[in-house]
Amino acid sequence: QVQLVQSGAEVKKPGASVKISCEASGYTFSSYYIHWVRQAPGQGPEWMGMINPSGGSTKSAQKFQGRVTLTRDMVMDVAYMDLSSLRSEDTAVYYCARGRGGSSLYYYYYMDVWGRGTTVTVSS
Amino acid sequence: SSELTQDPVVSVALGQAVRITCQGDSLRSYYASWYQQKPGQAPVLVIYGENNRPSGIPDRFSGSSSGDTASLTITGAQAEDEADYYCHSRDSSGDHSYVFGTGTKVTVL
Repeated sequence: QVQLVQSGAEVKKPGASVKISCEASGYTFSSYYIHWVRQAPGQGPEWMGMINPSGGSTKSAQKFQGRVTLTRDMVMDVAYMDLSSLRSEDTAVYYCARGRGGSSLYYYYYMDVWGRGTTVTVSS
Repeated sequence: SSELTQDPVVSVALGQAVRITCQGDSLRSYYASWYQQKPGQAPVLVIYGENNRPSGIPDRFSGSSSGDTASLTITGAQAEDEADYYCHSRDSSGDHSYVFGTGTKVTVL
């Protein structure tokens, strides 16, 4: 079945970096964008960025530009999200999700398959 | 960037209908998608596009859109529908980013 399997929980000190993996299976990895979304405790989801596995092009939210690096491994069908200069406010659950879209009267975009999330705790 | 605004809390009696709204400028250009999230779980897609349900989502979930407002309706709410619901769309500001709504907690009484 289609699934995204994420790496395990991380505990980091302020100023460090974290790299989370997202392994895709059950579908053609190159055919769908991978989005990264985070959710701080008690807060709603926050879109961080996305990668097109086919060409490797990326787009990140302005808030994270300069701190987030999105990459992928086309051999292993894995997407990665690297977040640097961590601070306590980065403590959150980080999700990867498969992106899709279409159009009728308007265009629409959605995330139909989600990983289970990776908890990142930033604490001194 | 765009913002999507939702009512924080909505209550519904068991078996009754409830409408959750999402308002934002980007919804004049893009359809919203809707996600259900229960505590400790990843979001689950329930509606996308004009009014499409992924496989496995009950037909009591439906979506609609008018102007700058998208709506998710649960017709005949069940106890298992108690959850947080988030709308989502592409940002219409031109920078090709995406935005989630502020979220609505649905309580089934």
